[in-house]
Amino acid sequence: EIVLTQSPGTLSLSPGERATLSCRASQSLSSPSLAWYQQRPGQAPRLLIYGASSRATGIPDRFSGSGSGTDFTLTISRLEPEDSAVYYCQQYGYIPPLTFGGGTKVEI
Amino acid sequence: EVQLLESGGGLVQPGGSLRLSCDASEFTFRNYAMSWVRQTPGKGLEWVSALSGSGGSTHYADSVKGRFTISRDNTKNTLYLQMNSLRVEDTAVYFCAKDRGNGAPSYIDFWGRGILVTVSS
Repeated sequence: EIVLTQSPGTLSLSPGERATLSCRASQSLSSPSLAWYQQRPGQAPRLLIYGASSRATGIPDRFSGSGSGTDFTLTISRLEPEDSAVYYCQQYGYIPPLTFGGGTKVEI
Repeated sequence: EVQLLESGGGLVQPGGSLRLSCDASEFTFRNYAMSWVRQTPGKGLEWVSALSGSGGSTHYADSVKGRFTISRDNTKNTLYLQMNSLRVEDTAVYFCAKDRGNGAPSYIDFWGRGILVTVSS
């Protein structure tokens, strides 16, 4: 089973700042089979990024993903108040099981 | 827009059973794999089970294997999760989730709002 470790646990930033979230896999993902989701309080998760770097439909270009192998990054440039949420990474390269990281909470 | 509406949750005693349903609309249901993902209150996400578009291929997390059964009725656009021998640790919000493709589970491009299952005596 692939274990995903996200860091930091919590990120406290101001509007307009840049957020950098990390997701590290316990084994190399041979293809960029990594997705990122945003979950606002009381809501279901929402797909942000798939294939490590492709933005999902309707996602602002403030959100970008990068990385390969075992190290992946979600960057949110120019933070806005509505970006306050928990962000999860998920791998789908070695299944089953699909696995999620423990999440990074972004406070603005 | 894709709609996924879960039902069937509630309070059940340890050892009991419950069946969740997920009514899907606004997409061609039979063409997509579907999953159930759960979230313990205040905690992270745990994938539970997945099913191919035809229903011919199923996958389960080790934590539920042998106790939960995923199925679908493509004539009714409905996904199910039969949960037997429930344990306290199965208490969670269960999300119905649409996969981006039809085959092996991959990433989820749309989620339902979730339904709470509480296992307690």
